[in-house]
Amino acid sequence: LAKTTQPISMDSYEGQEVNITCSHNNIATNDYITWYQQFPSQGPRFIIQGYKTKVTNEVASLFIPADRKSSTLSLPRVSLSDTAVYYCLVGDRGSARQLTFGSGTQLTVLP
Amino acid sequence: DTEVTQTPKHLVMGMTNKKSLKCEQHMGHRAMYWYKQKAKKPPELMFVYSYEKLSINESVPSRFSPECPNSSLLNLHLHALQPEDSALYLCASSQKTLGQNTEAFFGQGTRLTVV
Repeated sequence: LAKTTQPISMDSYEGQEVNITCSHNNIATNDYITWYQQFPSQGPRFIIQGYKTKVTNEVASLFIPADRKSSTLSLPRVSLSDTAVYYCLVGDRGSARQLTFGSGTQLTVLP
Repeated sequence: DTEVTQTPKHLVMGMTNKKSLKCEQHMGHRAMYWYKQKAKKPPELMFVYSYEKLSINESVPSRFSPECPNSSLLNLHLHALQPEDSALYLCASSQKTLGQNTEAFFGQGTRLTVV
């Protein structure tokens, strides 16, 4: 399984763009990169998934360089309600173990 | 309906009790998961069911016994637990399309306290 490394915590201010980088040096050919968000005492919520280059949806963008050894989750114009833990997951979508969580990044958005 | 419903939301049980956690989804998902999450830690995978069959057991102690009675329901039977088993237990489900799992949907979890 590809192991992921993320910063333990990050602070930002409301209205700023936040970029959270995840390192996954031994990512395999079949692995996808997926990000989840978790608020206290709630289950994680899917944010975005990608394989290469750039993926964008209504809440975030995911940037993946050509070597795929890292990825960056970009949250535009964060608000206080974006304060949460963000998890980067790397796994083969054909495997039941695709949902193996790493340590996550605690993002705190300040007013 | 994109919900995974877990009951109960909170559970306090003694070390000699037997209890069950329940998880239900009506999205037609054929993969269902149990996770355990301790405070300030990431969720840890416990069990995976695929098409109602247990496909992964991450060396979980036998005091935790999963059951998948049908494609919409997932249970976790608890017996003779220890205080260190106190945690948030999360259920999730995902679809399998052409062998690929789609995004997972998680329930709100059951907060379990063993006394």
